[in-house]
Amino acid sequence: AQSVSQHNHHVILSEAASLELGCNYSYGGTVNLFWYVQYPGQHLQLLLKYFSGDPLVKGIKGFEAEFIKSKFSFNLRKPSVQWSDTAEYFCAVNGGTQAGTALIFGKGTTLSVSS
Amino acid sequence: GAVVSQHPSWVICKSGTSVKIECRSLDFQATTMFWYRQFPKQSLMLMATSNEGSKATYEQGVEKDKFLINHASLTLSTLTVTSAHPEDSSFYICSARDGTAPLHFGNGTRLTVT
Repeated sequence: AQSVSQHNHHVILSEAASLELGCNYSYGGTVNLFWYVQYPGQHLQLLLKYFSGDPLVKGIKGFEAEFIKSKFSFNLRKPSVQWSDTAEYFCAVNGGTQAGTALIFGKGTTLSVSS
Repeated sequence: GAVVSQHPSWVICKSGTSVKIECRSLDFQATTMFWYRQFPKQSLMLMATSNEGSKATYEQGVEKDKFLINHASLTLSTLTVTSAHPEDSSFYICSARDGTAPLHFGNGTRLTVT
């Protein structure tokens, strides 16, 4: 069965600090990987996704993630965070692109950025 | 872009009553929709996979008789929480995939059972 592990439950940073959120998954086959963000009181938004090709994926708002197959990891990074990045971040995986395949989410990481 | 609409966005009901939540794909056809539940400060947990024209597939531990799912058309799936209890209070989110694109999520429905 697929599973997703996010190492950091709560991360607190000052503005301009660099961010890296860990994500490891468990699945033996080809996977698609996603990072979603949920701002306070809002719904999920897709930050970035990896299907195939270049393992370094760039998303919206300056975020990027690197897929390291050998480590089963898909860590999220941002060189310089802003106060507006305060949100909940979810890593998700699904083992295939078929329409009937659901995403499995990690438990999420709360990011708090102080100004 | 593809949009998934959920209604209502917020509902309060009394214990023992039933609540229906609608999920619509507005500009694409979704043969499959997914229902998730999110408790406060927790992640999204997949409840069931809703298949158009057939029975939903429920995840382990989810009571199918309590959470009735109907996917009557390619653009509409409904989740009915029957005989709701306070422990059913949660944030319910539906999602659908437009072909092989990433999932699109509805805005969610916050259910409070008093």
